[in-house]
Amino acid sequence: DQQVKQNSPSLSVQEGRISILNCDYTNSMFDYFLWYKKYPAEGPTFLISISSIKDKNEDGRFTVFLNKSAKHLSLHIVPSQPGDSAVYFCAAIQGAQKLVFGQGTRLTINP
Amino acid sequence: DTAVSQTPKYLVTQMGNDKSIKCEQNLGHDTMYWYKQDSKKFLKIMFSYNNKELIINETVPNRFSPKSPDKAHLNLHINSLELGDSAVYFCASSPPSVEQFFGPGTRLTVL
Repeated sequence: DQQVKQNSPSLSVQEGRISILNCDYTNSMFDYFLWYKKYPAEGPTFLISISSIKDKNEDGRFTVFLNKSAKHLSLHIVPSQPGDSAVYFCAAIQGAQKLVFGQGTRLTINP
Repeated sequence: DTAVSQTPKYLVTQMGNDKSIKCEQNLGHDTMYWYKQDSKKFLKIMFSYNNKELIINETVPNRFSPKSPDKAHLNLHINSLELGDSAVYFCASSPPSVEQFFGPGTRLTVL
């Protein structure tokens, strides 16, 4: 039973444009949602989070939007830069800090 | 450097062997975790310790035994290794917040 899903395994975006990564979830009891970025041969790195009581959180070039009625969140990166090329994981957390991850989306930024 | 470190980075071994992966964090966090990333790239939690006490134990074969000698260390011991144990294992730690800090991962290959 996969509670967090990222249905796009890959995404290709031109440098300078907006990257939009999507994530769906099934468990309405999740308290927080997080995005992690992962480069090859490294561990995931925290990017940004959003509480379930908010609908938007912004940090520099990164904005996360949460639509609770649709059980959907998205990460917007603007403008996209070559260093943003990585695998992005959506994750959700409930209670005792147990992160539930999506399967990741590989983002490629083309020059 | 303040970080979560894991050793070894790569581990190749034969079926039936027993092996350990070590994890150390110098971030002063009370909570540490082990995650497994399988061949399909899903990251799933295995264990969580808070101040040396086990708080999360997912459905993991009892061949896997975590050991926390102190709150800065969480080691993973695996008995009687099987082919299906081949994966990347990530250690993580967290303060009392939602963000978790990951180590670089240990790629385990069972032949």
